Amino acid sequence: DIQMTQSPSSLSASVGDRVTITCRAGQSVSTWLAWYQQKPGKAPKLLIYKASSLESGVPSRFSGSGSGTEFTLTISSLQPDDFATYYCQQYNSYSTFGQGTRLEIK
Amino acid sequence: QVQLQESGPRLVKPSETLSLTCTVSGVSFRSYYWSWIRQPPGKGPEWIGYVYYTGSTNYNPSLKSRVTISLDTSKKEFSLKLNSVTAADTAMFYCVKGGGLDAFDIWGQGTMVTVSS
Repeated sequence: DIQMTQSPSSLSASVGDRVTITCRAGQSVSTWLAWYQQKPGKAPKLLIYKASSLESGVPSRFSGSGSGTEFTLTISSLQPDDFATYYCQQYNSYSTFGQGTRLEIK
Repeated sequence: QVQLQESGPRLVKPSETLSLTCTVSGVSFRSYYWSWIRQPPGKGPEWIGYVYYTGSTNYNPSLKSRVTISLDTSKKEFSLKLNSVTAADTAMFYCVKGGGLDAFDIWGQGTMVTVSS
């Protein structure tokens, strides 16, 4: 089982801020890493796949980077719609999710 | 428009089998993986397993002994059976397009299943 650890667990930020969330894998997952956004009562939504590829229809303020064991999700300028919980997920060996990062309004 | 819709009992008794079906519309089954994912209240998602369009399967090792996923291409459905359930299996269950080396790109709305007597 590959463990995924996100930091921070929660984060307060303001509209317009640049935000970075980190995800670390217990062993290398190459670039088989995805990021999801989840709002209360809704299913997760795919934002980034293959570590840095932007899913169709996702705003370009979202970007992903990294390989191996360390990855980041960056939101370049926070918008009101971005306040949600974010999860990373590896799919190199079976599939495991991080514990989530809750992004709240400051 | 691709849509996935879960159906099945919302309440299951301890020690019994949880059974859910996912109906797929707007996309061919062919060449894709189809997964089940669950999310306990207040926790992160957990991948349960997938079925490939050929019928081959792969399961989360922690659940493998209790899980069966199958598909019926004629009905455009795939199904989950989780046996010997306990209260720890209470969760929102999602059917999802993706698995293997494909990210989870299309999700059903989810169905909340409670294990209780």
